[in-house]
Amino acid sequence: GIQVEQSPPDLILQEGANSTLRCNFSDSVNNLQWFHQNPWGQLINLFYIPSGTKQNGRLSATTVATERYSLLYISSSQTTDSGVYFCAASGGSNYKLTFGKGTLLTVNP
Amino acid sequence: EPEVTQTPSHQVTQMGQEVILRCVPISNHLYFYWYRQILGQKVEFLVSFYNNEISEKSEIFDDQFSVERPDGSNFTLKIRSTKLEDSAMYFCASRRQGNGGYTFGSGTRLTVV
Repeated sequence: GIQVEQSPPDLILQEGANSTLRCNFSDSVNNLQWFHQNPWGQLINLFYIPSGTKQNGRLSATTVATERYSLLYISSSQTTDSGVYFCAASGGSNYKLTFGKGTLLTVNP
Repeated sequence: EPEVTQTPSHQVTQMGQEVILRCVPISNHLYFYWYRQILGQKVEFLVSFYNNEISEKSEIFDDQFSVERPDGSNFTLKIRSTKLEDSAMYFCASRRQGNGGYTFGSGTRLTVV
C-alpha cells in the first residue's frame, strides 16, 4: 500500500513565526488530507488537497502530485496552532487513508 | 456544516466485556470507515463499509471485531471480548461517492481495564 512520511517529527516555534510541514507519499494519490489533532484528540480537517493549492486564513497547502509531496504552510503562528498535524493519503479504489506519523508543533508565547 | 457524530465520547470497560461504539455518518455519504489511534501513535485503518458490506479490513480487524449498519443512519463497531491492547481512540469517518475528502467524527476514547 501507499507509504506516507512526514517531516519534521517535531517543531518548536515562537508565536508569530512561519512554518512549513512536509508530507511525502510513495504512489499516485486520489485523496490527500491534512488534519490537526487538538488536545482533546479530535481530528480537525484542514484541507482536502490531492493536487493544487488552497488557502484558508493563515493556513495554506500545496500538493505536487507528480513529485509526490504536499506542503502545509502556517503563517504568523499562534499558541492555539499547537498540536499534531497529520497528513493522510489514499491511492486505491477503496480510498483507504494511510496516515503519516505526524508533526508535533509547539508554539510558545 | 454536516458532522459525523460518535457516542460515547469516553468509555471504560472491563477486560473481556463487549463494547459497541456508535456513529451517525453524514446522511448522503455512502462509504463508512473505522480507524483507531493507540495513544501516542499514528491513526490506523480498521475497516471500510459500503453497500451494506465490508469492502476492506486490516489485519487488526480480527474475529473479535464486527461492524453493522442496523438502520439507515447508524454505523456501529462491536468488540466482542475486549483486551487491554484495545485501549485506543476510535474514529468513525464517512465519505460521499466519487472524489471527496473524509469527514471524521470526534472519536470515542476506549479504556480497557
